[in-house]
Amino acid sequence: RKEVEQDPGPFNVPEGATVAFNCTYSNSASQSFFWYRQDCRKEPKLLMSVYSSGNEDGRFTAQLNRASQYISLLIRDSKLSDSATYLCVVIMGTNAGGTSYGKLTFGQGTILTVHP
Amino acid sequence: GAVVSQHPSRVICKSGTSVKIECRSLDFQATTMFWYRQFPKQSLMLMATSNEGSKATYEQGVEKDKFLINHASLTLSTLTVTSAHPEDSSFYICSARRPFTGELFFGEGSRLTVL
Repeated sequence: RKEVEQDPGPFNVPEGATVAFNCTYSNSASQSFFWYRQDCRKEPKLLMSVYSSGNEDGRFTAQLNRASQYISLLIRDSKLSDSATYLCVVIMGTNAGGTSYGKLTFGQGTILTVHP
Repeated sequence: GAVVSQHPSRVICKSGTSVKIECRSLDFQATTMFWYRQFPKQSLMLMATSNEGSKATYEQGVEKDKFLINHASLTLSTLTVTSAHPEDSSFYICSARRPFTGELFFGEGSRLTVL
């Protein structure tokens, strides 16, 4: 089983639709979670961190389910510009001083295409 | 603005030559930087972890003598692809983590084409 798994998609949705992606992780020691967005032929860019209590940033909502070991990203009112690959990132632990970090693992990415 | 800067963004070279890619952390000091490679339509693959003042840690299957990493300062790591071959053509991306938050920021990437 892969350490971090995402449904690669592609997800094809019309403008205005709501779409959700999940990302499962295998190591229960995982502590930090992020969603990144990568446009074609560009570097990944941080979309949002995922907090235990769940968090929202405009049309984007991220949630963490530790019991089932997955994180999710919900996009409401999809825009054409949301078309991209969405990567989840899972980090296992940091030291107390926050200066060294545990292993970071990427999901393989989920492709989203929003069409008119 | 950019938090991590990478240069050059695009390079074309002849087979057998060496290419150096620079990665600079502009916003914070990074004791650790990461180098990834991404082939078309595939996910990022971690190549190595660059440690300031010490040797890089390479992932399994990555040749350390071919991909030389130097992390001479807290803001600069370099990746040198030695004796490049066409199969080394790829998108190389560096990243650095912000202390305490752990957020990972990426450079703009360097697209290497070996003829």
